[in-house]
Amino acid sequence: DSGVTQTPKHLITATGQRVTLRCSPRSGDLSVYWYQQSLDQGLQFLIHYYNGEERAKGNILERFSAQQFPDLHSELNLSSLELGDSALYFCASSVAGAVVNTEAFFGQGTRLTVV
Amino acid sequence: AQKVTQAQTEISVVEKEDVTLDCVYETRDTTYYLFWYKQPPSGELVFLIRRNSFDEQNEISGRYSWNFQKSTSSFNFTITASQVVDSAVYFCALSEEYGGSQGNLIFGKGTKLSVKP
Repeated sequence: DSGVTQTPKHLITATGQRVTLRCSPRSGDLSVYWYQQSLDQGLQFLIHYYNGEERAKGNILERFSAQQFPDLHSELNLSSLELGDSALYFCASSVAGAVVNTEAFFGQGTRLTVV
Repeated sequence: AQKVTQAQTEISVVEKEDVTLDCVYETRDTTYYLFWYKQPPSGELVFLIRRNSFDEQNEISGRYSWNFQKSTSSFNFTITASQVVDSAVYFCALSEEYGGSQGNLIFGKGTKLSVKP
């Protein structure tokens, strides 16, 4: 158990809908990272938050947004969902502001299926 | 640009065989970190190792060993005496100190390892 908690584990929704994925980092970790894993794109970095502030953006669509709350949990919001958004979404956390300074631990992922 | 290449898409071995998973990376940074993660069939990503660019010493942890060679930009992973429980997808990843991937991981496409009994 990595200590990173993601909910829900599975999500099935229809095209055009909006969903929210939740991540609770390991105790003491200030950084939260979101990744998307799909068959064609592999593991892609989406966004990084550190202590409530956005630190870096990767290949995140404009229809997607994220935030990190004062208690350090994070939410990834996906809207106007398309079939191609079906993927496994991972959250990772680390104690430092950059993954170079320490290892990042991943949650079990949320499997999103858009039908 | 930063890039991680895992040329082996799938490898199948019989239990107790040794197996090496290849990883080649590209970066312009002089300071960077390399990682290996394991993704078993259950789906979670399990951290295995983190190595910085200034430490070229090989590392051994039980049946796992890693060979880092800056001259060939490679960070290969060897499992000795493989077991069925080693069956998983293994990812190599790169993070740069100052480059575009600072603060996040650039992953390879992964190598699926199947260990048959």
